Amino acid sequence: GAVVSQHPSWVICKSGTSVKIECRSLDFQATTMFWYRQFPKQSLMLMATSNEGSKATYEQGVEKDKFLINHASLTLSTLTVTSAHPEDSSFYICSARAKLSGSPREYFGPGTRLTVT
Amino acid sequence: GQNIDQPTEMTATEGAIVQINCTYQTSGFNGLFWYQQHAGEAPTFLSYNVLDGLEEKGRFSSFLSRSKGYSYLLLKELQMKDSASYLCAVVASGGSYIPTFGRGTSLIVHP
Repeated sequence: GAVVSQHPSWVICKSGTSVKIECRSLDFQATTMFWYRQFPKQSLMLMATSNEGSKATYEQGVEKDKFLINHASLTLSTLTVTSAHPEDSSFYICSARAKLSGSPREYFGPGTRLTVT
Repeated sequence: GQNIDQPTEMTATEGAIVQINCTYQTSGFNGLFWYQQHAGEAPTFLSYNVLDGLEEKGRFSSFLSRSKGYSYLLLKELQMKDSASYLCAVVASGGSYIPTFGRGTSLIVHP
């Protein structure tokens, strides 16, 4: 149980275009989803916290107009990278926290590798 | 704010035991996680400590001392597949229980 999927697993796009990444909790309802970015040989950097039905909370230094997050339901959150540039190339990982679990444990998706050319 | 410190890299021999330390400073505490991450993959859960003491799970054990702001992950009977990055993450109390990750410790296991 507690499986989180991400789609796509990898994507290549041209500079200036937008890319949408989906994060789904497959067998549980998630009150909170987190979006992370990870550059090579670095740790996870939290970008934003997404709660169902409310606006995402962005970490300092993360542009909310560039990284649009929509938490449409208790099983789906999307991250849209708008007007992507090569410096946005990174490994994007989502995680979900189960509703009513009483635990702060996160279940991670497999990640999406974005390459902007 | 929170500050988490763990060694950048460690090496060990197959079959040996290795201890990866993590120290933290936090304004509130709601638990500490250890994750394993292989290159190009997402982190996988290893352990969660919220009370002081040692939690043992097979070849992996995790220890927590809240008063010292200190945790360690102990890996026994090392295998080559244990070569990975090990992430220490602290969850603050209150609100959405926001996690903060350390920089990760890259463990290299050699024959």
